[in-house]
Amino acid sequence: QITLKESGPTLVKPTQTLTLTCTFSGFSLTTSGVGVGWIRQPPGKAPESLALIYWNDDKRYSPSLKSRLTITKDTSRNQVVLTMTNMDPVDTATYYCAHQDYYGSGSLTWGQGTLVTVSS
Amino acid sequence: DIVMTQSPLSLPVTPGEPASISCRSSQSLLHSNGFNYLHWYLQKPGQSPQLLIHWGSTRASGVPDRFSGSGSGTDFTLKISRVEAEDVGVYYCMQPLETPHTFGQGTKLEIK
Repeated sequence: QITLKESGPTLVKPTQTLTLTCTFSGFSLTTSGVGVGWIRQPPGKAPESLALIYWNDDKRYSPSLKSRLTITKDTSRNQVVLTMTNMDPVDTATYYCAHQDYYGSGSLTWGQGTLVTVSS
Repeated sequence: DIVMTQSPLSLPVTPGEPASISCRSSQSLLHSNGFNYLHWYLQKPGQSPQLLIHWGSTRASGVPDRFSGSGSGTDFTLKISRVEAEDVGVYYCMQPLETPHTFGQGTKLEIK
């Protein structure tokens, strides 16, 4: 059974850097075809893909946010970390990590999400 | 980025009646392998999105057969044959063909 759980601060101040950790089980990021991505969803709005890292360390970023994002993986700990710099109140959202089956349909299995509020 | 456009954005439905949601993409989602890279997700209140349909028309494991997906290329439809109270939530289409993966605006289904 694939499970993912996001962890990190619930409140950050403007201009600070956000660091979120996704801890997963039920799969390995060393397995060919596996990816883990970060997706955010502002309150009442649609989800937005942020970043994705694949088993072969291929990394993909949202073009509009690329300069602010870094995604890394720690396969020994079954974790994926996302950092986002220069946080702003408009970045307030629920942040999800998700498993992706790259060689299949590309479908996502989502974590429960974590709400991050950006406020001074 | 591939733009996904859903309609309607709000869908009030009487239990037992059918419902239909449209999703259009700005580029074809039909891969050279013959599969359409289009998913439908349902986000129930207070929950994470859950996969309903992938490949445009294949129900995910455990999804009731009252849900069906159709379409190809740039035009897709999600149909619910008989809406039940547990179907309330926001439905999203999403394309995993190209990064960044993009979502439609969402269609909020509510019970009349």
